[in-house]
Amino acid sequence: KNEVEQSPQNLTAQEGEFITINCSYSVGISALHWLQQHPGGGIVSLFMLSSGKKKHGRLIATINIQEKHSSLHITASHPRDSAVYICAAATNTGNQFYFGTGTSLTVIP
Amino acid sequence: SAVISQKPSRDICQRGTSLTIQCQVDSQVTMMFWYRQQPGQSLTLIATANQGSEATYESGFVIDKFPISRPNLTFSTLTVSNMSPEDSSIYLCSAGVGVYEQYFGPGTRLTVT
Repeated sequence: KNEVEQSPQNLTAQEGEFITINCSYSVGISALHWLQQHPGGGIVSLFMLSSGKKKHGRLIATINIQEKHSSLHITASHPRDSAVYICAAATNTGNQFYFGTGTSLTVIP
Repeated sequence: SAVISQKPSRDICQRGTSLTIQCQVDSQVTMMFWYRQQPGQSLTLIATANQGSEATYESGFVIDKFPISRPNLTFSTLTVSNMSPEDSSIYLCSAGVGVYEQYFGPGTRLTVT
């Protein structure tokens, strides 16, 4: 069993749709990161959160520490949001990450 | 915050050669890490780059294949030695200033022919 599980694995949406990607983890964490990986391979850090909710533009990330669950939401999705979204849990025993397998999102115009 | 850059961003290399990837942080960080992402897979930790001492490797990764340097608190290199097509991956550097502050580089896409 992976320490970090993401769902769905693949997601196709129409432009404008509200999108949710889920991440569940089984380890104790100090923080959880959401990463965006573009088709060319480059990785961008979207959020780092340890509690509550963060918002950046059309992106919203939430975390429930008690339930060991985080969600990434994209409002008014756009084709340029097409990418792989990766959840990464930073352990509370050191500066190490457990990575989810990623969610491949395709937004169709 | 910290900004991490990697060089090269991508490369195509021939079998049997070696490639050194550089990771530069714009501020001093305590810990630096190297990850590999094979096609269709998640990121896997290769090693922790320790300043002033040898890197700490994860199971399945050895120093002869992936030598790492960490000469100071802002810079590290990872060399992929004697490459084979199976080494074709994205190699990612990350850095931490503490458990709450972790930053990722943009990655290096390596293709071995």
